[in-house]
Amino acid sequence: DQQVKQNSPSLSVQEGRISILNCDYTNSMFDYFLWYKKYPAEGPTFLISISSIKDKNEDGRFTVFLNKSAKHLSLHIVPSQPGDSAVYFCAASGASNFGNEKLTFGTGTRLTIIP
Amino acid sequence: GAGVSQSPRYKVAKRGQDVALRCDPISGHVSLFWYQQALGQGPEFLTYFQNEAQLDKSGLPSDRFFAERPEGSVSTLKIQRTQQEDSAVYLCASTISSTGLSSYEQYFGPGTRLTVT
Repeated sequence: DQQVKQNSPSLSVQEGRISILNCDYTNSMFDYFLWYKKYPAEGPTFLISISSIKDKNEDGRFTVFLNKSAKHLSLHIVPSQPGDSAVYFCAASGASNFGNEKLTFGTGTRLTIIP
Repeated sequence: GAGVSQSPRYKVAKRGQDVALRCDPISGHVSLFWYQQALGQGPEFLTYFQNEAQLDKSGLPSDRFFAERPEGSVSTLKIQRTQQEDSAVYLCASTISSTGLSSYEQYFGPGTRLTVT
């Protein structure tokens, strides 16, 4: 039972354009969502997060949007740069886990930025 | 400052061998998590420590998996009688959260890639 889903295994975007990565979740108890970026042979690196009380959070080139009614979130990267090429994981955690913020991850989307 | 470190980075074990994987969290981080990442999948939760207390081990796939954090800092994940299906990257993460204060942003180590032959 995949509680966090990333339905696009891969995405290619031209440098300078917008990259949009999508994520869906099924567990309504999730109330905090994160995006991690992973390069080969490295651990995931935290990128940006959003609490369920918000619908948007922005940090530089990165913006995360949350649609609670649709149980959907997306990560926008604009403008996309070659260094953004990596695997992106969506992750979620729930208030019921207070004190144990274990993360449930999606399967990842490989983003390739084309120069 | 130093991030989360893990050793060894790569481990090849023959089926039936025992292995021990080490995690050094960021100094001062109270919470420590272990995840297992199979090829082409996202990390999956194994177990969670708050200081030396193992508060959740619901993700450990079998009783061959054992984790400890005796002094509330370094943690070891031990796998007994390894099987081929144990082949994966084992990730350790830490965060500063303590009782009454949540922190969802976990800092990950580079992982240990375990291959069981």
